[in-house]
Order: sequence, then C-alpha cells, then structure tokens
Amino acid sequence: QSVLTQPPSASGTPGQRVTISCSGSSSNIGSNTVSWYQHLPGTAPKLLIYNNNQRPSGVPDRFSGSKSGTSASLAISGLQSDDEADYYCAAWDDSLNVVVFGGGTKLTVL
Amino acid sequence: QVQLVESGGGVVQPGRSLRLSCAASGFTFSRHGMHWVRQAPGKGLEWVAVISIDGSIKYYAESVKGRFTISRDNSKNRLFLQMNSLRAEDTAVYYCAREMTTVPHDAFDIWGQGTMVSVSS
Repeated sequence: QSVLTQPPSASGTPGQRVTISCSGSSSNIGSNTVSWYQHLPGTAPKLLIYNNNQRPSGVPDRFSGSKSGTSASLAISGLQSDDEADYYCAAWDDSLNVVVFGGGTKLTVL
Repeated sequence: QVQLVESGGGVVQPGRSLRLSCAASGFTFSRHGMHWVRQAPGKGLEWVAVISIDGSIKYYAESVKGRFTISRDNSKNRLFLQMNSLRAEDTAVYYCAREMTTVPHDAFDIWGQGTMVSVSS
C-alpha cells in the first residue's frame, strides 16, 4: 500500500483531457512539493512536472500539474496515443524522512 | 550529454551481496543529491535511498534499512548502492536518479536506464 494514493487506471480517447489524482497527507504533499513522472516499461522514468506545476523544458504544455492542500493532480489535454504509459506522483515525507511515490496510474488511450 | 549509467546488476542467491554503481557524466556530480529507486516486476516505483551532495546525510526506505548502504565518490563521479542480505523481494530494476537542483528533496530530473537485480536460489 503506497503512502500516496493514485487511481490504478485512467483512460481517454485521442484529443480528450484526462486527470490523474494523487492524495497524500500533511507530512508529504501538505508540506512539500509534488513531482510527476511518466514511465514506459523498459525505459527510464521521465520527469513531467516539478514544484507542483512547473514543466521542465521539452515537456509539452499539454501536461499540467496542480496542488491543493494534501492532494495533487496531473492533467493531460489533447490526449495522444504516445501518452499511453504509467504515471507516478512523488513527494518528500517529513515524518518518515523518505520519498514517497504513488502506486502509479496506467493510462490507456482508447 | 547529461547521463547516468548503472551497472553491477545480476543474479544472486538469497542472503548474498551485490554492489551497484552509477556513473555520472555531463554535469557537476558533486552539486546534486542522488537517489536510488527500484521497480519490482509488475509493481510500481519504490524509492530506496538518498545521499546528500557531500555524502554526510543519507536516508533509506524502511524495507532496506540496515541492509543497503548508499555512498558516493565525487572525485570519480560515481554513486553506489551496497546491497547485503539480499531477499527475493529485492528483485527489481534499480535506477539511479539525480535531484534537479541544490534544493533538498527536489524532483528527479535525470534517470539512468536501470540495472536488473534478481535474487533467486
């Protein structure tokens, strides 16, 4: 059981907008920044969002992040087939002194 | 070119040891905190350990505390993970990852391709 809670799956059709949620607590999301990663099996995970809502250079603006209280979310607009992947949220946990990941959300583009 | 390359994975019997290495290039290694993250077959990403820029601060996941040791050699731009008393549940792809900035506990902006560790008799 992961400290951060994500839905195990999400789906959408090309062009749609999908949102993936990430729920935590006051010791992690509530007091630290959230980052999001895209992971395709057999490849290195890729940073999509840092500092809750910032995109690294090269990440399309179709990807956006937000945070409110002890929850965060990743939104993907204009869904493309290439977006099919696993998505993870992460944050530092002040109580445990560890990085906590969400369990991951498998995104399917129908 | 900024990159991280892991090595040292393999098949090992339960209770034995293995040392992973991560070679960094294309950036000033000594300015970044470094992490190990793993993914067991069919499972999600699991954080393993972090080491500060000078190696003075280290934190571990509860699942590896007391068995794994993270270290670094800034003169050789290398990160290490010494894994002792290995268990079947340590079977995973192990990734090294770089903290984005000098801000502690920042996001991981650079990841290696991973090295596979299989613990089996």
